[in-house]
Amino acid sequence: QSVLTQPPSVSAAPGQKVTFSCSGSSSNIGNNYVSWYQQLPGTAPKLLIYDNNKRPSGIPDRFSGSKSGTSATLGISGLQTGDEAAYYCGTWDSGLSAAVFGGGTKLTVL
Amino acid sequence: EVQLVESGGGLVQPGRSLRLSCAASGFTFDDYAMHWVRQAPGKGLEWVSGIDWNSGSTDYADSVKGRFTISRNNAKNSLYLQMNSLRAEDTALYYCAKDAYLRFGDYYDYFDYWGQGTLVTVSS
Repeated sequence: QSVLTQPPSVSAAPGQKVTFSCSGSSSNIGNNYVSWYQQLPGTAPKLLIYDNNKRPSGIPDRFSGSKSGTSATLGISGLQTGDEAAYYCGTWDSGLSAAVFGGGTKLTVL
Repeated sequence: EVQLVESGGGLVQPGRSLRLSCAASGFTFDDYAMHWVRQAPGKGLEWVSGIDWNSGSTDYADSVKGRFTISRNNAKNSLYLQMNSLRAEDTALYYCAKDAYLRFGDYYDYFDYWGQGTLVTVSS
């Protein structure tokens, strides 16, 4: 069981917008910044969003992040087939003194 | 270009030891904390251990505490993970990940680069 809760899968059509939820508690998301990682099939994770809503250079503005209370959301607009991947949220958990991740959400672009 | 290249994985019997290495390049290694994160086959990401820039602070997931030891050699731009008393549940792809900061564990912490991973299989 992951400390952060993510739905296992989500699907949408090309061109549409999709959102991914990530739920935690006051010891993690509630008091720390959230980051998001994209893992394409057979590859290593890649940073998509940090500090709740900032994008590293090279990440298109189709990707967005937000946080409210103990939950965070990743949004992808203008979906492309190349976006098919698993998406993980992550943060630091002050109570556990450990980095924690969600179980990941697999995106299918129909 | 930041590169992280892991090595040292393989098939090992339960109870035995293994040492993983991560060779870093493309950035000033001793300016950043570093981590090991693992992924069991078909599963999600699990943080294993972190070490700050000068080895002054280390921390471990409860699942490996007392069995694994993280270390680094800044002169060799290398990160290590000594894994003892290995169990079947340690079977995973082990990633080396770069922290965005000098120290880890602050409220703004995150991993900005990842290696391709080295596979550890614990089985008799």
